[in-house]
Amino acid sequence: ETGVTQSPTHLIKTRGQQVTLRCSSQSGHNTVSWYQQALGQGPQFIFQYYREEENGRGNFPPRFSGLQFPNYSSELNVNALELDDSALYLCASSPGGADSYNEQFFGPGTRLTVL
Amino acid sequence: QQQVKQSPQSLIVQKGGISIINCAYENTAFDYFPWYQQFPGKGPALLIAIRPDVSEKKEGRFTISFNKSAKQFSLHIMDSQPGDSATYFCAPLGNQFYFGTGTSLTVIP
Repeated sequence: ETGVTQSPTHLIKTRGQQVTLRCSSQSGHNTVSWYQQALGQGPQFIFQYYREEENGRGNFPPRFSGLQFPNYSSELNVNALELDDSALYLCASSPGGADSYNEQFFGPGTRLTVL
Repeated sequence: QQQVKQSPQSLIVQKGGISIINCAYENTAFDYFPWYQQFPGKGPALLIAIRPDVSEKKEGRFTISFNKSAKQFSLHIMDSQPGDSATYFCAPLGNQFYFGTGTSLTVIP
């Protein structure tokens, strides 16, 4: 059974640019959540996708957007990058339906640096 | 969003000792109380979790104690080992998971 994978591992962008991060969910999982983890902080919930629809969103501006594909993989897009967007971005997948927040399995994350 | 306060920020314990990490929350709608363990370069992994209808749950060396009236829950690691050295997060669940700021645990051999 393959776990959650994320790409790329590291990424360096400049302020104002756009970035796309990718996540492949664990086999059999149809729900994907994205988190931002700033250095020395706990992960903060960005949003969740269930069956290709956004199903819950945290306190992040609209320039953070996402997609989920029919194979349940997902993308996180961030437009107009700001210096404060520098963080580890974590993807977590879970089995079950839209109400299933439990049993989240995290990927290793993508480290984004904005210069 | 200061819905969760975790303490201490860091903890150093001798091998074989007991590690205790605390989490206080404000939202009474939380209905699931997990602890996550994160090693450097890895994503968090679920360690142990409890529902609010029980006051304690034990899995091996790890125990959660839950005090609903005080809105607090804690993680106890018995017989702490160097391999337990990691960052621990409480993450109570409401409409989303609210992660604490983390506790860096170092277990000295």
